[in-house]
Amino acid sequence: GQQVMQIPQYQHVQEGEDFTTYCNSSTTLSNIQWYKQRPGGHPVFLIQLVKSGEVKKQKRLTFQFGEAKKNSSLHITATQTTDVGTYFCAGGIDTGNQFYFGTGTSLTVIP
Amino acid sequence: DAGVTQSPTHLIKTRGQQVTLRCSPKSGHDTVSWYQQALGQGPQFIFQYYEEEERQRGNFPDRFSGHQFPNYSSELNVNALLLGDSALYLCASSGRTSGGQTQYFGPGTRLLVL
Repeated sequence: GQQVMQIPQYQHVQEGEDFTTYCNSSTTLSNIQWYKQRPGGHPVFLIQLVKSGEVKKQKRLTFQFGEAKKNSSLHITATQTTDVGTYFCAGGIDTGNQFYFGTGTSLTVIP
Repeated sequence: DAGVTQSPTHLIKTRGQQVTLRCSPKSGHDTVSWYQQALGQGPQFIFQYYEEEERQRGNFPDRFSGHQFPNYSSELNVNALLLGDSALYLCASSGRTSGGQTQYFGPGTRLLVL
């Protein structure tokens, strides 16, 4: 079955350091979404990527979709304590409406 | 403009019981998806409702069923509860006003099965 894996599972960084999480799918995706979930909270939509090789930026966050549309990454530059949370990717198959969430990367930022 | 709301926030049930969770989508949204999130894991897709019909279903047994009402609100029903059904149940709404596939999640219902 469809699997979406993320690495690393956990990441501790000093405030100001960069952070990257990687998402890999066992099958080709039609699109990919990224979410952030604060401890005790619910997932909050960050962005959607659709095109092969697409790169999008949101302030300190950079999102990439691989050429083969089977992997994606989220990079945060100069982390801040407000970046703490778990980051999930969610892959869409074909044009369907089912999204397969990754295993998540939990980010801790040490002040 | 209210976001996605869910009720109840917390629930405790015993094995074998049945439970109904409720979700009201964000204003202007017509599609509701339900997810199960076990502790420390990513959300798992249960099913999605659109125009009062189940449009797509994940890998969940028939004990999980749902309904969508004409006002787009939705219910998730789980019969014959198992200990493994303990999780955070999330509802997400989407629609044309959110660009189609952008999902807005509610705060969730935390279910504990004893």
